[in-house]
Amino acid sequence: GQQVMQIPQYQHVQEGEDFTTYCNSSTTLSNIQWYKQRPGGHPVFLIQLVKSGEVKKQKRLTFQFGEAKKNSSLHITATQTTDVGTYFCAGPNAGGTSYGKLTFGQGTILTVHP
Amino acid sequence: DVKVTQSSRYLVKRTGEKVFLECVQDMDHENMFWYRQDPGLGLRLIYFSYDVKMKEKGDIPEGYSVSREKKERFSLILESASTNQTSMYLCASSASYTRAETQYFGPGTRLLVL
Repeated sequence: GQQVMQIPQYQHVQEGEDFTTYCNSSTTLSNIQWYKQRPGGHPVFLIQLVKSGEVKKQKRLTFQFGEAKKNSSLHITATQTTDVGTYFCAGPNAGGTSYGKLTFGQGTILTVHP
Repeated sequence: DVKVTQSSRYLVKRTGEKVFLECVQDMDHENMFWYRQDPGLGLRLIYFSYDVKMKEKGDIPEGYSVSREKKERFSLILESASTNQTSMYLCASSASYTRAETQYFGPGTRLLVL
């Protein structure tokens, strides 16, 4: 079945350093979504990318969707302690009747040391 | 704002007990989902429902069942709880079954089975 792989699993950075997490799908995606889960919290939607090669920014966060629509990345510039959490990518299930299902990556746990 | 609520934040049960986890959403969403979240494994789909009384198995349905008698409510049932079902359980909803839209998550229920 469809797989969505995310790397790295863990990332420890000093405050002010940059951070990137990568997401790769085994199948072409119609769109990709990113979620953030704060420690002790639940996943919260950040953004959706739809077009091949699309780049979107949210303040210090930059999201990219690959040209082949099989990979994506999230880059955070100059991390802050408020960026701590787990970042998930998710893509719609491929083929058949997906009923709105998403396949989530395993997540990248970001720790920011002050 | 979409609100997804779960009946308990923390639950402690004994092996063999029948456990009910309830989820309610207030946005008239068609889709509802139950995931479990374990360290290093990301979000794994247990069951989902795309309409009242309709349900589909996810990736790890064994040991679980679900019920959706009303559109706003989706229940997860552990027929006979076992220690390997100790986990964080997250409920989510999304608007439409015709495409993979943003999922809105509840706060989660952390279940401990002794």
